[in-house]
Amino acid sequence: DVKVTQSSRYLVKRTGEKVFLECVQDMDHENMFWYRQDPGLGLRLIYFSYDVKMKEKGDIPEGYSVSREKKERFSLILESASTNQTSMYLCATLAGVVETQYFGPGTRLLVL
Amino acid sequence: RKEVEQDPGPFNVPEGATVAFNCTYSNSASQSFFWYRQDCRKEPKLLMSVYSSGNEDGRFTAQLNRASQYISLLIRDSKLSDSATYLCVVNSDGGGFKTIFGAGTRLFVKA
Repeated sequence: DVKVTQSSRYLVKRTGEKVFLECVQDMDHENMFWYRQDPGLGLRLIYFSYDVKMKEKGDIPEGYSVSREKKERFSLILESASTNQTSMYLCATLAGVVETQYFGPGTRLLVL
Repeated sequence: RKEVEQDPGPFNVPEGATVAFNCTYSNSASQSFFWYRQDCRKEPKLLMSVYSSGNEDGRFTAQLNRASQYISLLIRDSKLSDSATYLCVVNSDGGGFKTIFGAGTRLFVKA
């Protein structure tokens, strides 16, 4: 079974703090994704990576950056957290275009 | 127009009912199609892939109509445990790989 883990299930941070969300997968998948999910808006792609040290902006990259130093690990960074970044953050991996995405359990981030 | 559109519901049905969800997509170059299920406060999980020939998994049947750019999911004899949000998902690879998720359809199955 594919396993995708995220560093925290719940996180509370203050406005202006730097926040790191980590995602680790054990299936040697090349493609990894970060999404946020908000009520009524569905899943929105923040960034994705198709290889080590490679990254591509998704639909809503503003206020976020990412790091992929190793194949199995994809980090999402909020440089200066703001209240509108309160959300559920989901990491996913993908083997190929005709394959499915496998999601981590999600991190519920609250920015006060 | 959204790239993947679903009726948000909610659908409220009694146990044993048959319920159908529809999804339309706008990119004719889309290559693969899926239905995911998401329980409250959990991550989305694959329910089934969708093929042009249609596919069935127990009480669940998925259909793809490429000409109309339309995907459906049929749940027969619905159970209380089917209550969840169902997400339509489309992968395309024209000019760069892309996965688009529908916003989801909520289903409540009641006793």
